[in-house]
Amino acid sequence: ILNVEQSPQSLHVQEGDSTNFTCSFPSSNFYALHWYRWETAKSPEALFVMTLNGDEKKKGRISATLNTKEGYSYLYIKGSQPEDSATYLCAFIPDFNKFYFGSGTKLNVKP
Amino acid sequence: DADVTQTPRNRITKTGKRIMLECSQTKGHDRMYWYRQDPGLGLRLIYYSFDVKDINKGEISDGYSVSRQAQAKFSLSLESAIPNQTALYFCATSAYRGLDTQYFGPGTRLTVL
Repeated sequence: ILNVEQSPQSLHVQEGDSTNFTCSFPSSNFYALHWYRWETAKSPEALFVMTLNGDEKKKGRISATLNTKEGYSYLYIKGSQPEDSATYLCAFIPDFNKFYFGSGTKLNVKP
Repeated sequence: DADVTQTPRNRITKTGKRIMLECSQTKGHDRMYWYRQDPGLGLRLIYYSFDVKDINKGEISDGYSVSRQAQAKFSLSLESAIPNQTALYFCATSAYRGLDTQYFGPGTRLTVL
């Protein structure tokens, strides 16, 4: 069983703050990494698929970077809004068959 | 209509009962997955299937079985439910390998008393 760690477990920020969190994974074998956004009472939805060391992806105010050599990915949210409140999950894929999810970072943005 | 549906959405059952959770998808994907989510533990893979004839165990398959009745249908069974199987269960699909994101169903909340 692979260990995928996300930190922090939870985060409380004020509207307008920028924030970031981390997904750490074993660096020995890498195929892809996904980021998902999971709102309460809904299903997880994909944000980014990252495959190459140094990848940077952006969608609106949310961006992500990837370092496969050291085994981490950062997710950044610029100017957080209350609608950004959700749990952000990363999924590490060491080969093309299995997904290993972290436990998520729960973000709460206060108006 | 949702691309991935799960039935039932909520279920309360007793220890020892057999339970089946069903998943259907209209995305035309070959790959289907069953996960369970427990507080603080993220999503853990129970079983996955790459096509109708291919079924694979995930990291926590003990106590569960699955059936892939068709490309669009993937069922999860608890042969004899126990309280520590109380969890939120998600079905997901993907098109191809790890480069394609997973599309999740709405989840089934199962409580075993």
